[in-house]
Amino acid sequence: KAGVTQTPRYLIKTRGQQVTLSCSPISGHRSVSWYQQTPGQGLQFLFEYFSETQRNKGNFPGRFSGRQFSNSRSEMNVSTLELGDSALYLCASSPGHSTGELFFGEGSRLTVL
Amino acid sequence: AQRVTQPEKLLSVFKGAPVELKCNYSYSGSPELFWYVQYSRQRLQLLLRHISRESIKGFTADLNKGETSFHLKKPFAQEEDSAMYYCALSGSGSARQLTFGSGTQLTVLP
Repeated sequence: KAGVTQTPRYLIKTRGQQVTLSCSPISGHRSVSWYQQTPGQGLQFLFEYFSETQRNKGNFPGRFSGRQFSNSRSEMNVSTLELGDSALYLCASSPGHSTGELFFGEGSRLTVL
Repeated sequence: AQRVTQPEKLLSVFKGAPVELKCNYSYSGSPELFWYVQYSRQRLQLLLRHISRESIKGFTADLNKGETSFHLKKPFAQEEDSAMYYCALSGSGSARQLTFGSGTQLTVLP
C-alpha cells in the first residue's frame, strides 16, 4: 500500500497570506489527523477528521481549519499567516476504529517570512 | 487535560549498555500509552503500545499506573537504535487524540 502522501513538501509564504496543505491517507483509512511540529512546542495536535466530520480539535486559533473529502483525502488551511506558524505540518491516517496507531506522512514544511 | 513528560531531551549510551527512556503522564482516566520512533530521514512510526505487552526490536515498556510512568527499556542498546523517541498518550471520548511528549534523542555510541 502507498503510504500517507503530503503536498507540498516545502513552501514559503509571507505574513498575512494563507496556505492550504493536502494529505492523502493510506487507502482504506478513514481517519486523518493533523499535527504541528516545532522545535519549541514539539508535536501538537491540530484536529482529526473521520468520515468527513471533525471528530476532535486541538487548542489552535480559528485561523487553522481543515476538511475531509468523501475519498478521505484531507486539507488544512491556515489563514492570515504569522511568523510563528512556521513549522512542519504532519498528517497521519488510521483506519479510524481504534486509537493509537497512526501512520504519518513526511510532512509539509512551511516557512513564513 | 492530558500531558506527557519526557524529562530527557538527549540521552547517550554505549553499544551493549542498557537504556531506559523515561516517560511520565498525567491523565485522570484510563489512558492508552504508546512509544513512537523517528529514525534519521524516516517518518515517525509506532514502536509499541502498552496494550500489546510485546517486545519490539528488543524494547519493552511497562505501564505503571501508580507512578503514572511508561518507561521504554532495552537491555543491550545497538547503534541502529539511535533515533528520536516520543512517548504518546490517548485518552477517551473527547480526549482520544494522541498527545505526544517532547521527545528524547537517543544516541548509541560505538
